[in-house]
Amino acid sequence: AQTVTQSQPEMSVQEAETVTLSCTYDTSESDYYLFWYKQPPSRQMILVIRQEAYKQQNATENRFSVNFQKAAKSFSLKISDSQLGDAAMYFCAYRTFYGGATNKLIFGTGTLLAVQP
Amino acid sequence: ETGVTQSPTHLIKTRGQQVTLRCSSQSGHNTVSWYQQALGQGPQFIFQYYREEENGRGNFPPRFSGLQFPNYSSELNVNALELDDSALYLCASSFHRDRFDEQYFGPGTRLTVT
Repeated sequence: AQTVTQSQPEMSVQEAETVTLSCTYDTSESDYYLFWYKQPPSRQMILVIRQEAYKQQNATENRFSVNFQKAAKSFSLKISDSQLGDAAMYFCAYRTFYGGATNKLIFGTGTLLAVQP
Repeated sequence: ETGVTQSPTHLIKTRGQQVTLRCSSQSGHNTVSWYQQALGQGPQFIFQYYREEENGRGNFPPRFSGLQFPNYSSELNVNALELDDSALYLCASSFHRDRFDEQYFGPGTRLTVT
């Protein structure tokens, strides 16, 4: 069974600075998806960034980028130029790749990010 | 394009009672997944419905059941409520195709069991 681990329950960053959130996972599959989701106090889960395991290039979405290390089963999220609106709970998630399988997401326990003005 | 909506927003029930939570999927989506998020935890997959049939289930007892309707909206029913069922229940909709189908989440229903 696949597992996702986030070892940082809380992180804090100064506005305009850079912060990195860590995530490790365990799987025996060779192809899969990894995600970072943001959950603000409004509770709605928002997709931040997605990485396909078969792609060597790290995904980037504006100020958000990932460091995907497949051999180490590591998937960290870097937030550059942090903004007050980035304050939220961040979840790392895994999904199997193959079509036809239930596309359930397996989540970590989350990292609560505080942004200091 | 209408997003995923859930009702009610909050709900308080007594142990032993039954509850029904509702989810309207995003326009054009045919798959609905339900997750339970206990306080301080990540969401846990309950089950998924595709074309009105259950398409996978997580490690939840049979008293958690669901339905999907022809318009692809969905219900989550929980019988014989227990205190541990207190959680945020998230619904996510997607359009099933061969490969990636992004899940779009609703705002959740906060269930409190006393």
